[in-house]
Amino acid sequence: GDSVTQMEGPVTLSEEAFLTINCTYTATGYPSLFWYVQYPGEGLQLLLKATKADDKGSNKGFEATYRKETTSFHLEKGSVQVSDSAVYFCARSTDSWGKLQFGAGTQVVVTP
Amino acid sequence: NAGVTQTPKFQVLKTGQSMTLQCAQDMNHNSMYWYRQDPGMGLRLIYYSASEGTTDKGEVPNGYNVSRLNKREFSLRLESAAPSQTSVYFCASSTTGTGEAFFGQGTRLTVV
Repeated sequence: GDSVTQMEGPVTLSEEAFLTINCTYTATGYPSLFWYVQYPGEGLQLLLKATKADDKGSNKGFEATYRKETTSFHLEKGSVQVSDSAVYFCARSTDSWGKLQFGAGTQVVVTP
Repeated sequence: NAGVTQTPKFQVLKTGQSMTLQCAQDMNHNSMYWYRQDPGMGLRLIYYSASEGTTDKGEVPNGYNVSRLNKREFSLRLESAAPSQTSVYFCASSTTGTGEAFFGQGTRLTVV
């Protein structure tokens, strides 16, 4: 079946390091793609999205580009902060009703 | 803005007990969702409601029932709790079709 696969964590980085979290998907057609972030003890928040091929989503210094050829939507940030420590989820839309399929999540730990 | 409010935040049940998780949103969204979050599996959709008066099954509906009481409220009921239902439950809402979901803070449920 269709799926969303993202790299396992935890990913541990020093402050100001470069962050990449890989995400690939399998799907029929061209779903919308999302990155959600979950800070400790909280619900998920939408970080960024892209709705069609070659779209780049960006927010709070994070970026991800919808790559149709490689069915990928990798998340990047050039210089992470301690406050970026969280669990990051890649997701795709499954239909026109807003239902989402999530990857397993990647925990990111940023140390001072 | 309250956003999406879930109650309770924590609950411990004995096997066979029943309970209802409550969810309310104040953003006038048509669509509402219940997900469960398990380690290594991301979030999986239990049930969703595209609009007031309609509900439909998601990926993992067995053992659960839902009620869309009105446009604001969407409850999840466990009729006879099982240890396999130990999880963190998230309610979410969105404008129909966008995939841009707003999540509650979650309910951590333990079934012993």
